[in-house]
Formats: sequence, C-alpha cells, structure tokens
Amino acid sequence: GQQVMQIPQYQHVQEGEDFTTYCNSSTTLSNIQWYKQRPGGHPVFLIQLVKSGEVKKQKRLTFQFGEAKKNSSLHITATQTTDVGTYFCAGNSGGYQKVTFGTGTKLQVIP
Amino acid sequence: DGGITQSPKYLFRKEGQNVTLSCEQNLNHDAMYWYRQDPGQGLRLIYYSQIVNDFQKGDIAEGYSVSREKKESFPLTVTSAQKNPTAFYLCASRATSTDTQYFGPGTRLTVL
Repeated sequence: GQQVMQIPQYQHVQEGEDFTTYCNSSTTLSNIQWYKQRPGGHPVFLIQLVKSGEVKKQKRLTFQFGEAKKNSSLHITATQTTDVGTYFCAGNSGGYQKVTFGTGTKLQVIP
Repeated sequence: DGGITQSPKYLFRKEGQNVTLSCEQNLNHDAMYWYRQDPGQGLRLIYYSQIVNDFQKGDIAEGYSVSREKKESFPLTVTSAQKNPTAFYLCASRATSTDTQYFGPGTRLTVL
C-alpha cells in the first residue's frame, strides 16, 4: 500500500533559524496537503498542492511539490515560538477516497 | 457555528468494556473518517465513510466498529477486542470536491 514518510522525525531549532521538513511518497500523488498539530491539539489544514513543481507561500512558510509528484517540502523562515508543533503531510494517490498521512515532523523552537 | 464536535474530550473505561466515541459535523460533508494517534506517532486510519449507510475499513480496523446512519454522525465503538485501546482518537470530515480534511478536537481514551 501507499506509504508516506517524513524526515526528520524531530527538529529543535533556535528561534530565528530556518526549518525544513521533507515528505516522500512511495507512489505518485494526485495532490498533497500539509497540516499542523499544536501540542495537545488536533491537526489543522494549512495548504494543498496539486501541480507538479508547484510552490506556494504563506507568510514565512513555503510549500513545494516535487516535479515527479512523489515528494514535497515545507520550509519555515525565521522560526518563531508559535511555530511549535507537529507538521504532517498527507497524500492522495487518486482513485481512493482516503489520504495517507505522513509520519510527521515535530518542531521545537528554543527561545 | 460550523464544525466538527467530538465528545467527551477525556474518557476512562475499564478493560473489557466497549465504549462509543461521538463525532458530529454540521459542515454538510459527505465523507467522514476516524483516526487513531499514539504518543509521538502519526495518524492511522481506522474507518472511513463516503456516504450514509456505507463505510470501509482503514488500516487498523480490528477491534473497532462504526455506523453511519446519518450524514452528520459517525460514531466509533472501541470494542473489548481492541488490544491496546488507550490512544487519542480523531474524527475528520471532508467535502466531496476537495481532499482537505477538517478535524474535531479529539477524544483521549484511557483504558484502565
């Protein structure tokens, strides 16, 4: 079945440093979504990417979908303590009614 | 106020008892999902439903059961057959035209 892996599993950064998490799928994806889960909370939708090579930005967050549509990345510029949480990617291979969530990257920002 | 509600937020049960977790949505979404999350882990799909009166097993359905009698409701029963039921349970819904899922606040189940 489809597998979606994320690296790194954990990341500690000093406030102001950049952060990147990578998402890799075993199959080609029709689209990919990114979610953020704050400690003790539930996942909240951030963005969806659909096109090959697509890049989208949300303030300090930059999302990229690979050319082969099998990988994606989330980059945060100049992290803040409000960025703390676990970031999940979720991919849909098409023809299915469910998405597969990645393993998640837990970000800790040290003030 | 639209959204997804799950109740209760915390639930404690004795081993061997069945327990039903509630999930209600007023977003008029057709698809609904149940996930399980263990500490430091990702989300694992238990069951999902695309329409009323229809549902499919996810990756870890053993020991769980669901029903979808109404569009708004998708309750999950954790049966005594589930070997390790203590976990954080998340319900989500999705509109037909998108893959975006909207999550409820979750229920933390502890089996003593």
